[in-house]
Amino acid sequence: QQPVQSPQAVILREGEDAVINCSSSKALYSVHWYRQKHGEAPVFLMILLKGGEQKGHDKISASFNEKKQQSSLYLTASQLSYSGTYFCGTLLYNNNDMRFGAGTRLTVKP
Amino acid sequence: DTAVSQTPKYLVTQMGNDKSIKCEQNLGHDTMYWYKQDSKKFLKIMFSYNNKELIINETVPNRFSPKSPDKAHLNLHINSLELGDSAVYFCASSHLSGRVDEQFFGPGTRLTVL
Repeated sequence: QQPVQSPQAVILREGEDAVINCSSSKALYSVHWYRQKHGEAPVFLMILLKGGEQKGHDKISASFNEKKQQSSLYLTASQLSYSGTYFCGTLLYNNNDMRFGAGTRLTVKP
Repeated sequence: DTAVSQTPKYLVTQMGNDKSIKCEQNLGHDTMYWYKQDSKKFLKIMFSYNNKELIINETVPNRFSPKSPDKAHLNLHINSLELGDSAVYFCASSHLSGRVDEQFFGPGTRLTVL
């Protein structure tokens, strides 16, 4: 039931773009995206509920595909503050427990 | 004011001991959670709890037990600690079931079992 995240790690220069993917073998009720900086707690970014949905704020956005089995997180014109580990959390229709992917470690260098 | 707080921040103890971690949220949320994050950063839910229902992840040993004296608190008791229990434990809360709401995480408790 754990979603599969890719890539495991990515290194960017400031201003570059990145895409993080989150996939499930089953249709999902919702997808949640969190960012965790080293030594800190995960912080909520956004939630997607509807197939085909896209949402975002600033230069971080996400999409949820029509079949509701894959979500992607888009980081554009990356900033140093974007560094951290990004987790997708997924919920199935018949379960209230969030299952997190293994995380994607994003490093943005000057 | 801290939305979700945990104590202690660090906990070092010997194998076989019993310990507790406290969690409090002042957000008025209905649901609280405990997560375990291991050394590889894998974040795994242990329990979710509201005032009506406790849901236990089936892989959690029964040495772990959540206790909620009231809606704002969810403490974690661990009996007979083992080396493999070493991890960072996060408490979290959400307004409703967490299916459509964001979860607010506490700062974490780093447990080291020697």
